[in-house]
Amino acid sequence: SQKIEQNSEALNIQEGKTATLTCNYTNYSPAYLQWYRQDPGRGPVFLLLIRENEKEKRKERLKVTFDTTLKQSLFHITASQPADSATYLCALRTTGTASKLTFGTGTRLQVTL
Amino acid sequence: DAGITQSPRHKVTETGTPVTLRCHQTENHRYMYWYRQDPGHGLRLIHYSYGVKDTDKGEVSDGYSVSRSKTEDFLLTLESATSSQTSVYFCAISEFGGSSYEQYFGPGTRLTVT
Repeated sequence: SQKIEQNSEALNIQEGKTATLTCNYTNYSPAYLQWYRQDPGRGPVFLLLIRENEKEKRKERLKVTFDTTLKQSLFHITASQPADSATYLCALRTTGTASKLTFGTGTRLQVTL
Repeated sequence: DAGITQSPRHKVTETGTPVTLRCHQTENHRYMYWYRQDPGHGLRLIHYSYGVKDTDKGEVSDGYSVSRSKTEDFLLTLESATSSQTSVYFCAISEFGGSSYEQYFGPGTRLTVT
């Protein structure tokens, strides 16, 4: 069955450093992969979408890579700030359907001064 | 959260009582989704709708029903609430279905079943 894995342990980094979060998947052939941010007590917010034929996508300080051979996406935040502290979720098409997404459990990022 | 509201935002109910959660959107998006979020499980899809009166099940649909009589409203009903349905419920909308379109989430409803 399909599986999405994100590091359940919190990632703690210092302000100004680059944060790198990982999303691994198995038994998938996704055409697209999405990343969301979720703050405590709030709903997820869409950040970036990357297509399988795109190796890299950037938006301001965010960068996402998508390696369909490794079945992995990396999410980078450069020059991280305390305001970047949140949980980050990846999502892919649910196997067997075109209309649904399956979300990973998310990785919590804590950026300290 | 713009364009999507959920009501109520918090609810405490007793086991065995019916509960209805409402999702309202002003974006005129075709697709609407109900998720539940629990520690260790992340977001799991309960039901979704791809148009008025058109709905389908997600991965955790047992014990839940939905209805969509208007484009803007998507109702989630727990016919007889159980403690295992204590969770945070999120509604989401999408202009079209599929993984090539982003979803926009509401603020969530925290439901406690005692």
